[in-house]
Amino acid sequence: KAGVTQTPRYLIKTRGQQVTLSCSPISGHRSVSWYQQTPGQGLQFLFEYFSETQRNKGNFPGRFSGRQFSNSRSEMNVSTLELGDSALYLCASSPRQGAWEQYFGPGTRLTVT
Amino acid sequence: AQSVTQLDSHVSVSEGTPVLLRCNYSSSYSPSLFWYVQHPNKGLQLLLKYTSAATLVKGINGFEAEFKKSETSFHLTKPSAHMSDAAEYFCVVSGGGGSQGNLIFGKGTKLSVKP
Repeated sequence: KAGVTQTPRYLIKTRGQQVTLSCSPISGHRSVSWYQQTPGQGLQFLFEYFSETQRNKGNFPGRFSGRQFSNSRSEMNVSTLELGDSALYLCASSPRQGAWEQYFGPGTRLTVT
Repeated sequence: AQSVTQLDSHVSVSEGTPVLLRCNYSSSYSPSLFWYVQHPNKGLQLLLKYTSAATLVKGINGFEAEFKKSETSFHLTKPSAHMSDAAEYFCVVSGGGGSQGNLIFGKGTKLSVKP
């Protein structure tokens, strides 16, 4: 089976812009979670989607949003980018909601200038 | 609330010597605990998991971890380090309750392996 794929792998944006990141889960996996990784804060949970519904949310401002499509693919959107949003954004998929066994993609490296 | 503390931010060993990466956890539920590894410019890979079965858990690449409830610890060990083990290791606890899908990560331990 193909693993979790994320596009794009690298992205450079300017402060104030918005960005959309994409994640395709492992075939058959219906749950997608997003994480932010920064040197200062480490890995932090953003949100989890299952059956096109957000099931769980971390402690991030409303500028961070996401959605999931009927084929389980997910997108994450960040509006009004700030310098502090520069990070590696990781997507993980799992076969069911709330499953602790998650399979991670390679991440999207976002740089905000 | 669930949390994990990785006691060392950086560990350096020589090739062929044992590896010990330390992790303490705090959990109000019976925890599910994991170790993930992240090689440079790569995603996270699950090394092993504890989910209330055997307390000694064997993972991939010769790693194992022991769940000790009395010490609230879940340390990762390997008898003999290999150069390819150099990476960052994360101790992780699941959110628990209605937040099972929310993985809570430690700050990570960077493992260096000297030839």
